[in-house]
Amino acid sequence: GENVEQHPSTLSVQEGDSAVIKCTYSDSASNYFPWYKQELGKRPQLIIDIRSNVGEKKDQRIAVTLNKTAKHFSLHITETQPEDSAVYFCAAVPGGGGADGLTFGKGTHLIIQP
Amino acid sequence: GAGVSQSPSNKVTEKGKDVELRCDPISGHTALYWYRQSLGQGLEFLIYFQGNSAPDKSGLPSDRFSAERTGGSVSTLTIQRTQQEDSAVYLCASSLGLVSGGPTYEQYFGPGTRLTVT
Repeated sequence: GENVEQHPSTLSVQEGDSAVIKCTYSDSASNYFPWYKQELGKRPQLIIDIRSNVGEKKDQRIAVTLNKTAKHFSLHITETQPEDSAVYFCAAVPGGGGADGLTFGKGTHLIIQP
Repeated sequence: GAGVSQSPSNKVTEKGKDVELRCDPISGHTALYWYRQSLGQGLEFLIYFQGNSAPDKSGLPSDRFSAERTGGSVSTLTIQRTQQEDSAVYLCASSLGLVSGGPTYEQYFGPGTRLTVT
């Protein structure tokens, strides 16, 4: 089955700086890679996603890049703000044609220092 | 519009008792998923429904866990003879699922049920 590794487990950056979180996956047939943000005590919220036929996607201060050859994808947050503090999870959907369950990384606790 | 809802929000039960958790997906979403999140841990996939059928039950941790979905909408996750290691937040998500043109993957989560087994 799919295995997703995520690092770092904790990331502390100064407000206004950029943050990068990286994930690798094992199943070369995986074709969908979402990122979720989870604030303490809240539900995970989908913030951006990328499909395997695209190399990069941007949405305002957030971008995701995908390298299928190397089987890794990354989340980039620019001009970080205090409200970006949360746990971020990457995930992958294994290939196979169905809308299958997500395999998640273990999460990155992002701390924005004022 | 209304998002995914789950009930109860909190459940405390004694070891050995059975519990039922309920999920009401977004209207029109044909795919429904159950996940488990243990304290400080990531999310663990349990089971996936497309309509009323469950193509993938691979994540259910033991035969004490079962789920059903009737009418293509509400789903219940049942845990029999609960154990302390079952304590976790149980999250439900839904997506549009398999539509003409292929699967749609975006999953939207409910608020979860926090289960505590004493």
